[in-house]
Amino acid sequence: DAGVTQSPTHLIKTRGQQVTLRCSPKSGHDTVSWYQQALGQGPQFIFQYYEEEERQRGNFPDRFSGHQFPNYSSELNVNALLLGDSALYLCASSLGNSYTIYFGEGSWLTVV
Amino acid sequence: AQTVTQSQPEMSVQEAETVTLSCTYDTSESDYYLFWYKQPPSRQMILVIRQEAYKQQNATENRFSVNFQKAAKSFSLKISDSQLGDAAMYFCAYRSEGEYGNKLVFGAGTILRVKS
Repeated sequence: DAGVTQSPTHLIKTRGQQVTLRCSPKSGHDTVSWYQQALGQGPQFIFQYYEEEERQRGNFPDRFSGHQFPNYSSELNVNALLLGDSALYLCASSLGNSYTIYFGEGSWLTVV
Repeated sequence: AQTVTQSQPEMSVQEAETVTLSCTYDTSESDYYLFWYKQPPSRQMILVIRQEAYKQQNATENRFSVNFQKAAKSFSLKISDSQLGDAAMYFCAYRSEGEYGNKLVFGAGTILRVKS
């Protein structure tokens, strides 16, 4: 049974560009959350998707947007990239409001 | 807003000995969950242990146990018989319940080094 899978693993972008990160939740999970983890810090909640709608959002600008597809997979989009967006982006999935949350290995984004 | 504080940036322990990682949190809620996650170099977050706030009994998972002090808003993790594989970054996390959905609020983490 595959866990949470994320792609790409690593990528490098230039300031001002746009990036799309992808996440496939664990089989049977319908809720996907995204977190940003800067180097040496704890993860910060970006937003959560359930039934293709954004259910909750953290303190991130509108440059950060997302989408959830009917198969529950999700995308995180970041526009107008800044150097400060360089971080590990973690995807987490769960079944509804369950406290059992599974994380992927993350996508490393470097903005130069 | 809920906050989680881990005051120990780094800890070291000798193999087979016991170490305690500290965590405090701030919340006005009465019902919530607390977690300890382990993040090895692979970067995948692994759940170590979970505590429900309404339970007075401290959670235990094999060599891992917590000391949950609700009034003091303290949630420490004790690792007994430390092993080399325990070396990792450890995060304390609070599960916040929004009106719709939920999110985890993480502390800044504690690096645990295990010496052989």
